[in-house]
Amino acid sequence: QKEVEQDPGPLSVPEGAIVSLNCTYSNSAFQYFMWYRQYSRKGPELLMYTYSSGNKEDGRFTAQVDKSSKYISLFIRDSQPSDSATYLCAMSGVSGSARQLTFGSGTQLTVLP
Amino acid sequence: EAGVVQSPRYKIIEKKQPVAFWCNPISGHNTLYWYLQNLGQGPELLIRYENEEAVDDSQLPKDRFSAERLKGVDSTLKIQPAELGDSAVYLCASSSATGETQYFGPGTRLLVL
Repeated sequence: QKEVEQDPGPLSVPEGAIVSLNCTYSNSAFQYFMWYRQYSRKGPELLMYTYSSGNKEDGRFTAQVDKSSKYISLFIRDSQPSDSATYLCAMSGVSGSARQLTFGSGTQLTVLP
Repeated sequence: EAGVVQSPRYKIIEKKQPVAFWCNPISGHNTLYWYLQNLGQGPELLIRYENEEAVDDSQLPKDRFSAERLKGVDSTLKIQPAELGDSAVYLCASSSATGETQYFGPGTRLLVL
């Protein structure tokens, strides 16, 4: 079993829809939680970054972390065709080699105009 | 501010040939990472440098892969000899000394024939 599980999709939604992307993990040492967006033939781009539990909002994007359930989510409101990309969750521990990022396999999202 | 620069962007070689990838991190970032990303998967760490020192290379296949980071800035990842299974995207990322967040380059897409 992988340390980080992510539904690969693909996920297709109409423009304006609310998108929910999720990851589960098994390593209780993870403290930092990130979402990266990766466009086709590009490198991953940091989208959201959260430390420990709680919510964080940035424009149309909201990241949630529930450490008790080992579950993280990314919500995209009013989705746009430009949001079409692969979304990767990533997480790490606090120090030393634990700071190594462990990625999910990515969810491919298409927002239809 | 310039991002992480990688070259070449694409490389096609025949099996058993050598290949090298180059990375220039964000200015001031002393931590540099090389990742391997297979199709439909998240990036997997190959090696992490703190300045000139390779502090985590446990995932680097040392029989054919090598890396160096002379002067603690640019880095080169080499494969010799390449195998068919090495076809993938090789990503470079960097972070600051305190950085929990990593910034990725566009990657080098390698195809081994």
